Amino acid sequence: AQTVTQSQPEMSVQEAETVTLSCTYDTSESNYYLFWYKQPPSRQMILVIRQEAYKQQNATENRFSVNFQKAAKSFSLKISDSQLGDTAMYFCAFLKQGAQKLVFGQGTRLTINP
Amino acid sequence: EAGVAQSPRYKIIEKRQSVAFWCNPISGHATLYWYQQILGQGPKLLIQFQNNGVVDDSQLPKDRFSAERLKGVDSTLKIQPAKLEDSAVYLCASSLAGQGGQPQHFGDGTRLSIL
Repeated sequence: AQTVTQSQPEMSVQEAETVTLSCTYDTSESNYYLFWYKQPPSRQMILVIRQEAYKQQNATENRFSVNFQKAAKSFSLKISDSQLGDTAMYFCAFLKQGAQKLVFGQGTRLTINP
Repeated sequence: EAGVAQSPRYKIIEKRQSVAFWCNPISGHATLYWYQQILGQGPKLLIQFQNNGVVDDSQLPKDRFSAERLKGVDSTLKIQPAKLEDSAVYLCASSLAGQGGQPQHFGDGTRLSIL
């Protein structure tokens, strides 16, 4: 079974700083997908970024980028020029190729301070 | 594009009572999921539907939880009777069918409190 681990329960940075959230996973699969979701206090889970394991190029979405290290089974999220609206819980999630069941990590609570 | 709709947004009941949640997925999304998210944890899949058929309900406590997706569109999740440990946010999500790592789109969830 796949597991996802987020080792930072909470993080806090100043507005405009860069912050990196860590995620590691355990799998014997070679083809899979990784996601970062953001959950603000409104509770809706919002997709931030998606990575396909067979692609070596790291995914980017505006201020959000990932550092995907397949051999190390690491998938960190970097948020550049952080904004107050980035304050939320962030969840890393794993999806096996051919499956549709997401496996989530425990989450990291990120606070952006003014 | 309208998102995933869920209702109610909040529900407070006493233990041993019953409760039902409703979900309307994004139009055209064949796959629908119900998750339970206990405070401070990541979501846990309860049940997954492909159209109106169940794909995975391995983590659904079937003695008290039930779900249906009649006509392959809307879905309801029911708890009867509720226990204190059922206090959580219940999230509904939907995605396009297929094997290509389709992202799941989530609703706002229902926060259930059991007294």
